[in-house]
Amino acid sequence: KQEVTQIPAALSVPEGENLVLNCSFTDSAIYNLQWFRQDPGKGLTSLLLIQSSQREQTSGRLNASLDKSSGRSTLYIAASQPGDSATYLCAGISNSNSGYALNFGKGTSLLVTP
Amino acid sequence: KAGVTQTPRYLIKTRGQQVTLSCSPISGHRSVSWYQQTPGQGLQFLFEYFSETQRNKGNFPGRFSGRQFSNSRSEMNVSTLELGDSALYLCASSLEAGSNYGYTFGSGTRLTVV
Repeated sequence: KQEVTQIPAALSVPEGENLVLNCSFTDSAIYNLQWFRQDPGKGLTSLLLIQSSQREQTSGRLNASLDKSSGRSTLYIAASQPGDSATYLCAGISNSNSGYALNFGKGTSLLVTP
Repeated sequence: KAGVTQTPRYLIKTRGQQVTLSCSPISGHRSVSWYQQTPGQGLQFLFEYFSETQRNKGNFPGRFSGRQFSNSRSEMNVSTLELGDSALYLCASSLEAGSNYGYTFGSGTRLTVV
């Protein structure tokens, strides 16, 4: 079974800092990798999807990279803002039993202070 | 464009009862999958449905079941509820199974078993 690990588990930074969230996975046979954010008590909001043939994706202040050979993905947040405070989850999309599933890490809880 | 709709948003049930949760995917999406989120275990995969067929199933007891209708709407059922079933249940839809298009999540159903 795909195991996904996210480091750090929690992070507190002052507004304006650039930061990197790390995600590692055990099985390089993932299809794609998707990053989400989750606000307390809410559902998941998709941030970026990196297809297996891609190395990175960018959206605004967010940049995510994928290195399947090393089993790693990183999410880079530039010029952090208090509104970025949330839990960030990475999920590898893998195939088994003729179907697909997202395998999630436990997340990184981010607090950006004014 | 409407997102993924989950109903109800909140439920309180008694041990031993059964419960049915509903998920309406984004219009045109044919794949629906379900996840359970708890503080201890994080997000865990329950099932994936595509064109009314269950394509993949996670490691949950048989008390957890689901189905998908011809309009792609999906329901999941939990019978003989246990205290440990208290969780946020999230539904995700995708254009196709496997998904080079990524997954979109609903806001979830918060189930409390007392």
